[in-house]
Amino acid sequence: GEDVEQSLFLSVREGDSSVINCTYTDSSSTYLYWYKQEPGAGLQLLTYIFSNMDMKQDQRLTVLLNKKDKHLSLRIADTQTGDSAIYFCAERSWDNRLAFGKGNQVVVIP
Amino acid sequence: DAGVIQSPRHEVTEMGQEVTLRCKPISGHNSLFWYRQTMMRGLELLIYFNNNVPIDDSGMPEDRFSAKMPNASFSTLKIQPSEPRDSAVYFCASSALGEGNEKLFFGSGTQLSVL
Repeated sequence: GEDVEQSLFLSVREGDSSVINCTYTDSSSTYLYWYKQEPGAGLQLLTYIFSNMDMKQDQRLTVLLNKKDKHLSLRIADTQTGDSAIYFCAERSWDNRLAFGKGNQVVVIP
Repeated sequence: DAGVIQSPRHEVTEMGQEVTLRCKPISGHNSLFWYRQTMMRGLELLIYFNNNVPIDDSGMPEDRFSAKMPNASFSTLKIQPSEPRDSAVYFCASSALGEGNEKLFFGSGTQLSVL
């Protein structure tokens, strides 16, 4: 089955870059996702990457995918206070369900 | 579109009472998912529907939990009887399966507290 692992907490100063990491187990995953959850809200899709890609850039977000190591990362450039949230990575399994990690809390210090 | 709409936003009830959570998916989406979020377990998929048909309910914790989707625009998750360990945030999400990238759109959740 799918198992998505994430570290729990990251603090970063405003303006610095932040990197969140994730490992997954299902090598047949076709899409991998990053979701953001702000306090009291549902998860919001940030970006996704197709499994045949190594990198995807979307404004301040850069997603890196290492299929060999089953490692996914999200880099946020010029981190802002509005980036404080919990970030979830997710993999799409063979039956089209998404398996989510436990999330990584990012706290941006002004 | 207003997005996925869940109600109520907050529910406080006593142990043993019946709880019904409601969800309206995004119009045109053909798949609907119920998740439960707790600090200990993170996000757990409880059940998902495709074209109003339950596809996988293996995540439903016990027979006390049931879900229905009578039509494409409405779903309910019912807990009867409720227990304190059911306290969590329950999210509904919808998706347009078949688009390829299967993006999930989440509602704002229902915060359930069972006393």
